Amino acid sequence: AQSVTQLGSHVSVSEGALVLLRCNYSSSVPPYLFWYVQYPNQGLQLLLKYTSAATLVKGINGFEAEFKKSETSFHLTKPSAHMSDAAEYFCAVSDGSSASKIIFGSGTRLSIRP
Amino acid sequence: EAGVAQSPRYKIIEKRQSVAFWCNPISGHATLYWYQQILGQGPKLLIQFQNNGVVDDSQLPKDRFSAERLKGVDSTLKIQPAKLEDSAVYLCASSSLDSTQYFGPGTRLTVL
Repeated sequence: AQSVTQLGSHVSVSEGALVLLRCNYSSSVPPYLFWYVQYPNQGLQLLLKYTSAATLVKGINGFEAEFKKSETSFHLTKPSAHMSDAAEYFCAVSDGSSASKIIFGSGTRLSIRP
Repeated sequence: EAGVAQSPRYKIIEKRQSVAFWCNPISGHATLYWYQQILGQGPKLLIQFQNNGVVDDSQLPKDRFSAERLKGVDSTLKIQPAKLEDSAVYLCASSSLDSTQYFGPGTRLTVL
């Protein structure tokens, strides 16, 4: 069985500061890992995904995440936060098959202080 | 390329009434998913279709929820009768062979 744990339901950072959103996964097979962002009253938008290639994955809007098998982690980072980054962020895991189910974490709400 | 379309965007009903949601996936995407997202939680898969066949409906409350994808393209999700705890956002997503899921804007259901 696969699962995802997001540490911290709410993270607040100052504009220009480093963003770090934590995600740990559990999977019995090599996982595919995803980060999605959800703005208010909108659906989920894919930020980036890991599919067993490079362990450092770059996504949209300046975000990146690093797959660390030894730590079973896939933390999301951005060097400098912008006000427009305020949103809900979801980490997710799947087994990577063509019609695979994605298991989502409970989400982390990111707030940006001026 | 057009994204996943859903309608309506908002729906308010009273408990015990019925409601239906519609989803049109990205053209060519064989796999379609319906998720329920309760406030403050991550999306939970309700049902997954591959073309017009059901792949996984293990978390669909079949006594009140039903879904179909008759022609392997668009899909409808129905709740009958609705309960207060069904208040949530219902998200539709579709994917092609690379398994990346693309989401629609969702339908926000309020049951009074």
